[in-house]
Amino acid sequence: GAVVSQHPSRVICKSGTSVKIECRSLDFQATTMFWYRQFPKQSLMLMATSNEGSKATYEQGVEKDKFLINHASLTLSTLTVTSAHPEDSSFYICSARDEVGGFYGYTFGSGTRLTVV
Amino acid sequence: GESVGLHLPTLSVQEGDNSIINCAYSNSASDYFIWYKQESGKGPQFIIDIRSNMDKRQGQRVTVLLNKTVKHLSLQIAATQPGDSAVYFCAEEGGAGGSYIPTFGRGTSLIVHP
Repeated sequence: GAVVSQHPSRVICKSGTSVKIECRSLDFQATTMFWYRQFPKQSLMLMATSNEGSKATYEQGVEKDKFLINHASLTLSTLTVTSAHPEDSSFYICSARDEVGGFYGYTFGSGTRLTVV
Repeated sequence: GESVGLHLPTLSVQEGDNSIINCAYSNSASDYFIWYKQESGKGPQFIIDIRSNMDKRQGQRVTVLLNKTVKHLSLQIAATQPGDSAVYFCAEEGGAGGSYIPTFGRGTSLIVHP
């Protein structure tokens, strides 16, 4: 089946620094990828839709200058958390859309635990 | 979708029992529904899906029931095992404008006691 690789799985960074998270579709091409954020014991909240070759579409309330998304190829999307602060600490998850037989399937990465100290 | 920001409801069952996890969805125009399982520290995994033209679909040990009249979805797990312990989310897609991006429900934490 479709596999999405997300890296790193855990990262600790200092306040004010930037962190890049990678999301790769390993065995299929994904023109569309999604980035979610999840706080402990809560649901996944969609942050943005990443489109290959064009600008990402951000959900209301998500700062596009803080959460930079780049989708430069059909198999890679990156999320960069710029000038990270402790309140950015969260679990970030990507997913990739795989069109099969006219229907869409979504495969999720294993998530990245970001801790800002 | 369901409210976010609230603590997850919890369902505790004994190993071997059947589990039923419920979900209320919000968009009556949604036409595709998925159940995901999320283990601690991992991303969601697809369990089973159902389209709006069906009211029941069965997989291996799992059954999804859809009641469009009351916008209710349920996941039944037969002979629940400790490895089933996880958080389960329903997601809806489709609807007006054809937005095929999963919208997640609040989630239910399933705890299976051996």
